[in-house]
Amino acid sequence: GDSVTQMEGPVTLSEEAFLTINCTYTATGYPSLFWYVQYPGEGLQLLLKATKADDKGSNKGFEATYRKETTSFHLEKGSVQVSDSAVYFCALSESRGNEKLTFGTGTRLTIIP
Amino acid sequence: GAVVSQHPSRVICKSGTSVKIECRSLDFQATTMFWYRQFPKQSLMLMATSNEGSKATYEQGVEKDKFLINHASLTLSTLTVTSAHPEDSSFYICSASGRGGEQFFGPGTRLTVL
Repeated sequence: GDSVTQMEGPVTLSEEAFLTINCTYTATGYPSLFWYVQYPGEGLQLLLKATKADDKGSNKGFEATYRKETTSFHLEKGSVQVSDSAVYFCALSESRGNEKLTFGTGTRLTIIP
Repeated sequence: GAVVSQHPSRVICKSGTSVKIECRSLDFQATTMFWYRQFPKQSLMLMATSNEGSKATYEQGVEKDKFLINHASLTLSTLTVTSAHPEDSSFYICSASGRGGEQFFGPGTRLTVL
């Protein structure tokens, strides 16, 4: 079945550091890929998505590129801020996001001033 | 973005009792609602999918008689954990999607069964 493997946390970085959170997936078809973010005390929010190979999703300075050849969707940001501290989840859906989502375990990110 | 609420945010109950968790879409009509369970340091596991006015579809391994789901309106779904036991202690998260297809998540409910 489908599965998502993401970098285990927690990850602690200094402000303005470069961020990478790795995510790889296993799927039978051609899934859509997502990154969700959960800020303290809030529900998961969609951060960005990509629906086909070589697509790049981007939002709030975060980027992730759908790499079919390596089955990866790594999350990157060039310069993190304290406000980026949150838990990040990689996920996939076989049906363009309006059906079942399969999640990774989540990576807790803490940014230190 | 759309807002989904859950109530209660935390609940502690005795073993053998039933607990009801509500999930509401506050500013949109949710044709589909999803219920997830999250164990510490593990991913969200989909328990069931419910469409308004019809029976929920449960994932393999999820006991439908233990986790009762009711999606009675386009803005409300409830999850009732019947005869709860300590192993049911977990973090339960709902999400809701409308016609656009994107899922919007609630903040979760922490259930502790003593």
